[in-house]
Parts: sequence; C-alpha cells; structure tokens
Amino acid sequence: EVQLVQSGAEVKKPGESLRISCKGSGYSFTSQWITWVRQMPGRGLEWMGRIDPSDSFTNYNPSFQGHVTVSVDKSISTAYLQWSSLKASDTAIYYCARQGDYYDFDYWGQGTLVTVSS
Amino acid sequence: QTVVTQEPSFSVSPGGTVTLTCGLRSGSVSTSHYPSWLQQTPGQAPRTLIYNTNTRSSGVPDRFSGSILGNKATLTITGAQADDASDYYCVLYMGSGIWVFGGGTKLTVL
Repeated sequence: EVQLVQSGAEVKKPGESLRISCKGSGYSFTSQWITWVRQMPGRGLEWMGRIDPSDSFTNYNPSFQGHVTVSVDKSISTAYLQWSSLKASDTAIYYCARQGDYYDFDYWGQGTLVTVSS
Repeated sequence: QTVVTQEPSFSVSPGGTVTLTCGLRSGSVSTSHYPSWLQQTPGQAPRTLIYNTNTRSSGVPDRFSGSILGNKATLTITGAQADDASDYYCVLYMGSGIWVFGGGTKLTVL
C-alpha cells in the first residue's frame, strides 16, 4: 500500500527555521516526483514545488522560490520542506503528494499544520 | 501570472446533476494541461477524483466524470449525493514542471 506520512504539527516564532518531512512507503520512492502544496487557513490549494527523489532536481512556483527549500534523503525515502526564517504568513497546512504518471497527484500525505506566531 | 478560474460556489439538489468548470483567465484549457479534479472535505487531505482530463481514480464512483467542453475542463456529478458536498479543486499542468490550482468550488447539496 502506497503511503505518504508527514511529520507532526509545529508551532514556531517568526524568524525561526523549520523543516517538515514526508516519508514514502509501499513503492519505489525514487521513481515518482514528490510535490508540496500549501493551504492557508480557510483558503485554497497552492502548488509550491516538486522534487525528483532520484537526483534531487527541483521545480518551484515562482511565488515560493527563495523562501522555501525542497530536499530529499532517498536513503530513508523522505522528502523535506524547509524554511530558514518563518513569517506569520507561513501559517498553513502543508501537504505532500506523489506525482502520478499523468501529471496528476495520486497519493497525498495527511498534512502538517505549521503555526507561526509570536 | 497564470490564473485558473473556478466558480466560487455551486448548489445542487440531491439526485441532481451539476457541472463545475475550470478555465484559464487567458487562453483555453486543453488535454495538454492534463486537468485533474480533487475533492476536499473539511479537515481532510485532498483526494484526486479525476486525472488526465477524464480518468477516474481507483474507487471513485462513476457518477463523477471529467471532460473538456469548449475552452474549459469540466467535472460533472450525475445523481449528486449528500456526501458529495465538498470543496472541489482543479489543477492544470502548465509545462516546465509547473502546476497551478484553481481557487476551488464549494459545492452544497440541498
């Protein structure tokens, strides 16, 4: 069974750094890209970026590039989304999803709630 | 900046049929955008209902169907049920490894 399991909820202060994770199982982790999606409170879904776990090649939404970094440790089948300096506006639920064969997102993680507040 | 358009809200009666649309503020949606439709209920992660324009994901009832009509992608629910009340998002592949989500449609069944 394919699963993407994300790390737990985080509460951080503005300016702090953070890394959240997404662990894949039940399939060959390096064979499918991993995408990250943001959902701010009461708002819609936003595509942030994606990573190829086989070679760590990335694509970013220009709106997020430079503010977040997507990485992967293929030895433990885990993708990461990280911030070096959080802002209050980063408060959101972050989802990882596996890219399917037809430019779709076929499996989703359960989401990680990130709260940034002073 | 690419903007994907969806109706903010829609209402359908139980047993009725509803068609949600997904367009581009500039241009037409085609199969080359590989449109997908996602369903999200409150507090839950999204799940993909339709991908590659008209392919249902495993386990999705056949009352959900996707197509391209004119210059938009569409999601049609035939014989709506109470538990179809959800937020529905379309997402388009824009090429060069970039996707854009629509703003979502809140569907009410009553």
